[in-house]
Amino acid sequence: DVQMTQSPSYLAASPGESVSISCKASKSINTYLAWYQEKPGKTNKLLIYSGSTLQSGTPSRFSGSGSGTDFTLTIRSLEPEDFAVYYCQQHNEYPLTFGSGTKLEIK
Amino acid sequence: EVQLQQSGPEVGRPGSSVKISCKASGYTFTDYVMNWVKQSPGQGLEWIGWIDPEYGSTDYAEKFKKKATLTADTSSSTAYIQLSSLTSEDTATYFCARGTTVATEALIFDYWGQGVMVTVSS
Repeated sequence: DVQMTQSPSYLAASPGESVSISCKASKSINTYLAWYQEKPGKTNKLLIYSGSTLQSGTPSRFSGSGSGTDFTLTIRSLEPEDFAVYYCQQHNEYPLTFGSGTKLEIK
Repeated sequence: EVQLQQSGPEVGRPGSSVKISCKASGYTFTDYVMNWVKQSPGQGLEWIGWIDPEYGSTDYAEKFKKKATLTADTSSSTAYIQLSSLTSEDTATYFCARGTTVATEALIFDYWGQGVMVTVSS
């Protein structure tokens, strides 16, 4: 199985700042990485897939990059609604596997 | 609007089974596979498996092959997961999530249910 390692586990930032979250795969997954947002009281939201393709409705301040084993989610100019938990998921092969999550908190 | 409405919280005794549902609306149920994902308390996400409602075909992660059974009722656009031989390890939130493919045969999840908490307790 492909192990997905996310870092950091916790990240504190202020609105207006930019942050980056890392996701590393235990072997190459080409560009097939998705990012999800989890917020209390809301259903999980697909943000990005295939490494850098924004899902319809995802704000342009979100961006994804990377290939092979190293990927990054970047959020520019944080908005209050961006404080949430973020997960990565590889969609290169079965079984589908997720990272352990990054909780983005307000500083 | 695509919606996946899951059933309410469940409590199961050790050794028993529980069955939870996920009713889909806003799209043609048989056009997409339905996935199930487990989130243990304070933990990350684990993919359990998918079911193709049109054919009834399934695929499971190895870890869940003896634990979970996925079914679907096309007449009511509802997917189900049954968890058997419950232990404390099964205490978790279970999500249904619509699967779609982009570029590879492996799925991404474009819509999620709200999750169902299953508690195993005597």
